[in-house]
Amino acid sequence: ETVMTQSPTSMSTSIGERVTLNCKASQSVGINVDWYQQTPGQSPKLLIYGASNRHTGVPDRFTGSGFGRDFTLTISNVEAEDLAVYYCLQYGSIPFTFGSGTKLEIK
Amino acid sequence: QVQLKETGPDLVQLTQTLSITCTVSGFSLTTYNVHWVRQPPGKGLEWMGAMWNGGGTDYNSAFKSRLSISRDTSKSQVFLKMNSLQTDDTAKYFCARSRVSLDYWGQGVMVTVSS
Repeated sequence: ETVMTQSPTSMSTSIGERVTLNCKASQSVGINVDWYQQTPGQSPKLLIYGASNRHTGVPDRFTGSGFGRDFTLTISNVEAEDLAVYYCLQYGSIPFTFGSGTKLEIK
Repeated sequence: QVQLKETGPDLVQLTQTLSITCTVSGFSLTTYNVHWVRQPPGKGLEWMGAMWNGGGTDYNSAFKSRLSISRDTSKSQVFLKMNSLQTDDTAKYFCARSRVSLDYWGQGVMVTVSS
């Protein structure tokens, strides 16, 4: 099973700042990584697919990058609505595996 | 529009079997895959398994032989069945659609396993 390790576990930032979330795979997964946003009480929402492609309707403040084992999600100009837990998911091998999440808090 | 809705029991007794139905609309089960993902209270997401558009299935081995996923394409429904429930199976269970990525999710159903 491919283990996805996310860091940091949580982070606090201010409106307008830029943050970088990390996800490291225990083995290469190519570009087979998505990022999901889960706001409090809601279902997860797809943000980034194939490591770097924004899903329909996702603001361009969200940028994904990476290949192989190391992946990042960058949120520029953080807004209050970005308060959420962010998960990476690898689908390069079965079982698909999620990271444990990064909780983004707004100061 | 695309919708997925999970229906199932709120409460299941220890060691009993859980059955949840995911009813979809706005797309065909023969074109899209449907996944099951669960989330224990206050914890992260866990991929359980998938029904592929061609009718095959894959499962997370963490569930060993407890888990079964099936479908009825004529009713646009996908079924999750898991037996021998334990208290750590208490979770919100989601179904989600994919071609590759999980682009639409249901609202989830919260299931509590009670002793």
